[in-house]
Amino acid sequence: QKEVEQDPGPLSVPEGAIVSLNCTYSNSAFQYFMWYRQYSRKGPELLMYTYSSGNKEDGRFTAQVDKSSKYISLFIRDSQPSDSATYLCAMSEPGGGNKLTFGTGTQLKVEL
Amino acid sequence: DVKVTQSSRYLVKRTGEKVFLECVQDMDHENMFWYRQDPGLGLRLIYFSYDVKMKEKGDIPEGYSVSREKKERFSLILESASTNQTSMYLCASRLTVGGIMYGYTFGSGTRLTVV
Repeated sequence: QKEVEQDPGPLSVPEGAIVSLNCTYSNSAFQYFMWYRQYSRKGPELLMYTYSSGNKEDGRFTAQVDKSSKYISLFIRDSQPSDSATYLCAMSEPGGGNKLTFGTGTQLKVEL
Repeated sequence: DVKVTQSSRYLVKRTGEKVFLECVQDMDHENMFWYRQDPGLGLRLIYFSYDVKMKEKGDIPEGYSVSREKKERFSLILESASTNQTSMYLCASRLTVGGIMYGYTFGSGTRLTVV
């Protein structure tokens, strides 16, 4: 079993839809949780960063962490074609060599 | 914003060649990383470095080595390239302030093809 599980998709939604992307993990020591967006042939870029449990909102994006269920989510409201990309979850332990453990990514396509 | 620059976007090399992938960051970060990204496998850590001349193996170091002679530069070396090293290579740096770790900043990647 992988340490971080993420549905690879592809996920196709109409423009304006609410998108929910999810990851589950098995390592209870993870404290830092991130979401990255990766456009085709580009490096990942950091979208959201959360420490421990709770919600964080930034514009159309909301990140949720439920440590009791070992489950994290990214919600995208009013999705746009420009949101079409691969979304990677990532997480790390405190002092865990600064290493991130990544999910395999979910490919999202927002259609007009 | 932190900038992480990888010297090449696309490379084609022959089997057995020694290959150097260069990465430079401009924000004085201590921590730098090399990953490879393959479809269905996600990002896998090859090597990372805490500071100049310091390096540690990641999850898949076989066939690779690294060099960090200056803080801003972290090089990945394929000692004798093989076709199974065809991949997208991503360099990243990470800021740590007062023990709090922030997210990685990635370069744009180098797509290496070994023929």
